[in-house]
Amino acid sequence: NAGVTQTPKFQVLKTGQSMTLQCAQDMNHNSMYWYRQDPGMGLRLIYYSASEGTTDKGEVPNGYNVSRLNKREFSLRLESAAPSQTSVYFCASRVTGEKLFFGSGTQLSVL
Amino acid sequence: TQLLEQSPQFLSIQEGENLTVYCNSSSVFSSLQWYRQEPGEGPVLLVTVVTGGEVKKLKRLTFQFGDARKDSSLHITAAQPGDTGLYLCAGHTGGFKTIFGAGTRLFVKA
Repeated sequence: NAGVTQTPKFQVLKTGQSMTLQCAQDMNHNSMYWYRQDPGMGLRLIYYSASEGTTDKGEVPNGYNVSRLNKREFSLRLESAAPSQTSVYFCASRVTGEKLFFGSGTQLSVL
Repeated sequence: TQLLEQSPQFLSIQEGENLTVYCNSSSVFSSLQWYRQEPGEGPVLLVTVVTGGEVKKLKRLTFQFGDARKDSSLHITAAQPGDTGLYLCAGHTGGFKTIFGAGTRLFVKA
């Protein structure tokens, strides 16, 4: 069982470049999430999608956009990357109110 | 803004010792979860506590939810090197969001 799949696993960008992080889940979950993880700060919510067709801002949405392409897929886009966006990004999904299932993360460096 | 404060941030102990990790907030949560994360992987759920005062045991790990549902603790008895990892508490308020503490990084030396 694949669970939550994120691509790519590693990425290096130059300041100002754009990229899209892909996430797909095969568990038929309604809700999907994007978090970033920085040392000493835990996981902070960037955006979430409660169900197909809806997206909402989390704690730290500035500089990001998302698309819930269908029930399975939820992408995160950085339009103009900045060094402050260097982080590890995690996608997660769940049935509403229950435990979160996480992908294995994307380590992004912005130079 | 809801905050979950975890302490300690870092813990290095010898195999066989006991330890307790704390998770505190001024907010009330409908449930609280504990996750464990290993390097290069996403967090994996250990337990969910729902009722104030609830205690759950998972082998050598004991989880407690405070009576007021604002705090929680994780106690590990006779820690083993395999317990090494990052432990995260996460609070759920009943909506779609879950907030996470900053984590406790545990290192158990053989």
